[in-house]
Amino acid sequence: KQEVTQIPAALSVPEGENLVLNCSFTDSAIYNLQWFRQDPGKGLTSLLLIQSSQREQTSGRLNASLDKSSGRSTLYIAASQPGDSATYLCALGGSEKLVFGKGTKLTVNP
Amino acid sequence: EAGVAQSPRYKIIEKRQSVAFWCNPISGHATLYWYQQILGQGPKLLIQFQNNGVVDDSQLPKDRFSAERLKGVDSTLKIQPAKLEDSAVYLCASSPLNEQFFGPGTRLTVL
Repeated sequence: KQEVTQIPAALSVPEGENLVLNCSFTDSAIYNLQWFRQDPGKGLTSLLLIQSSQREQTSGRLNASLDKSSGRSTLYIAASQPGDSATYLCALGGSEKLVFGKGTKLTVNP
Repeated sequence: EAGVAQSPRYKIIEKRQSVAFWCNPISGHATLYWYQQILGQGPKLLIQFQNNGVVDDSQLPKDRFSAERLKGVDSTLKIQPAKLEDSAVYLCASSPLNEQFFGPGTRLTVL
């Protein structure tokens, strides 16, 4: 059974700082990994999708990496802004359902 | 491109009452999902449809929850009767292949 862990549960940083969010998983037999953003009271917005055969994906100030051998993914956010404040969730797609972590709540202080 | 639509956005009911949620997926997306997200947790899959057939409903509490996907497009999720522990956000998502796109969710409060 796939288990997904996100550490830390919460993170507070000053504006402009570069930061890394971590996601670890127990079963490396995955099809893909997806990073989402969730604003309070809102649904999930897909940020990046990494296929199993890929090592990383980039979109603007975001870079996500995938290392199946170690069961880890990271989401790198460059030059953070107050608008980046949200909860970030990673989700693993495998032969079964998409399995989510509990998320990291990010606060970027002006 | 229009996103996934859900209604209502908020619902407050008393325990033992019934409630229904509606989802309209992105046009052309064959796969539709319903998730339950309890406060502080990641979403948990309740049911997955491929067109109008059920692919996975292993985590759906079938004694009180039901779902259908009419003509392989819109879907409804029903809870009857509701319990206090059903208070959560119910998210609908659709997918053309691998990537899932989520709607804004329905926040259910059971008193």
